[in-house]
Order: sequence, then structure tokens, then C-alpha cells
Amino acid sequence: DTGVSQNPRHKITKRGQNVTFRCDPISEHNRLYWYRQTLGQGPEFLTYFQNEAQLEKSRLLSDRFSAERPKGSFSTLEIQRTEQGDSAMYLCASSSGPPADTEAFFGQGTRLTVV
Amino acid sequence: GEDVEQSLFLSVREGDSSVINCTYTDSSSTYLYWYKQEPGAGLQLLTYIFSNMDMKQDQRLTVLLNKKDKHLSLRIADTQTGDSAIYFCAEISSGTYKYIFGTGTRLKVLA
Repeated sequence: DTGVSQNPRHKITKRGQNVTFRCDPISEHNRLYWYRQTLGQGPEFLTYFQNEAQLEKSRLLSDRFSAERPKGSFSTLEIQRTEQGDSAMYLCASSSGPPADTEAFFGQGTRLTVV
Repeated sequence: GEDVEQSLFLSVREGDSSVINCTYTDSSSTYLYWYKQEPGAGLQLLTYIFSNMDMKQDQRLTVLLNKKDKHLSLRIADTQTGDSAIYFCAEISSGTYKYIFGTGTRLKVLA
């Protein structure tokens, strides 16, 4: 399977703990996106990378959230001092080239539950 | 501004046509997309349209774009039970590669 891979698929953590998620994009894709989706809502943009450069961050991304893509390949999203409001599905997507020439391929997401 | 709105629910009978509507506010949107999300699955791109087009047809799918009213629609002909899912419209604006998604429309197809 050469699609976008996210790990873990599910994470349950206690409030106040730190969590880290990993995304492996499709290998030739230079753009990588992180989105958050809560029940009954559409995906909300968090941040995106072009190669290793983080080009845009949403105001939703508080200082407890940090994302990296150190070598322009896989990416990690870390949430420090988790809160119950962080419970959501975290989606990663990757794409290559102009937006309409190729779609953004989404992974199946990491479901975070903060108890 | 960035705001994409959709009606929450749509119910149709198998074999009928479905029309899912979307309104957006960013007049600089260059591309508009329709994604499908099935339970437990990721988002799947169905189709997209350039902002300088009025219509695009792709098999059972027809996308209509009214740029003046910032209104996008997706028509699914001969709707099947396998089309039951949540459908999201999304836009991408000039100068950014950020996709902005709507709230999603849950389509239920009755046999």
C-alpha cells in the first residue's frame, strides 16, 4: 500500500500528557497537510509543509501544538499537555504539483481521545 | 474570509438524483472540490472544477459552479445505496495551497 499512512490509528491519553502522531506521505509528494476533524464537522486546517518548510499555520494551532517535517518526508504532530478539547480525528494529507493537477490524498487518521 | 457552508442532511430514494449544495465566501477561490467520506474511511476526492468553468461532468457526477453567487453543487445521477456517505466541498484560494472544507452533507440513500 503506497497511500498516506498515519500512526497510531487510535490513541487514548490522560489529560495533561503529551502525545505524538506520525504521518508518512506518498513518497514523491512534496506537500504535507495536517487537519483536525471533530464529530459532525468538516476537516479544519492546522498546518502544511512544502518539503521541510512549514509554510502556514492556523490560529487553531496553539503553542501546545507543534509539527515538524525534518527531512521533507514523514511528519510528526505533537500535542503537549493535552486537554479534553483536543479529542478529535487528526488527518494527514499529501499532494504534489499544482492543486488541480493532483488530488490531496488523505490518510485514515489518528483518533485521539483525551480522558 | 474563509467560510464554506453546506446543508447537513439529504435523503433520497435509490435511483433518484441527489443534489448537494455548497456556498463559499472567498471570491479568490481558484479550485473547488468535492470529497466523499465513508464511515471509518479517509476522505476521497470525487471531482474538482476550475473557477473559470461553469460545469463539469464525470460519469454520474455533475458539478455546477455559479461564481457570481459563490454557489457550488454536486449532482449524483441514479443514486445508489453505496453513495451513502458524507460529502464535503472544499476550496483552495489563489496564493495558498490550503484546502478549506465545508461542514459536510450526510447523504442517506433509501432502498
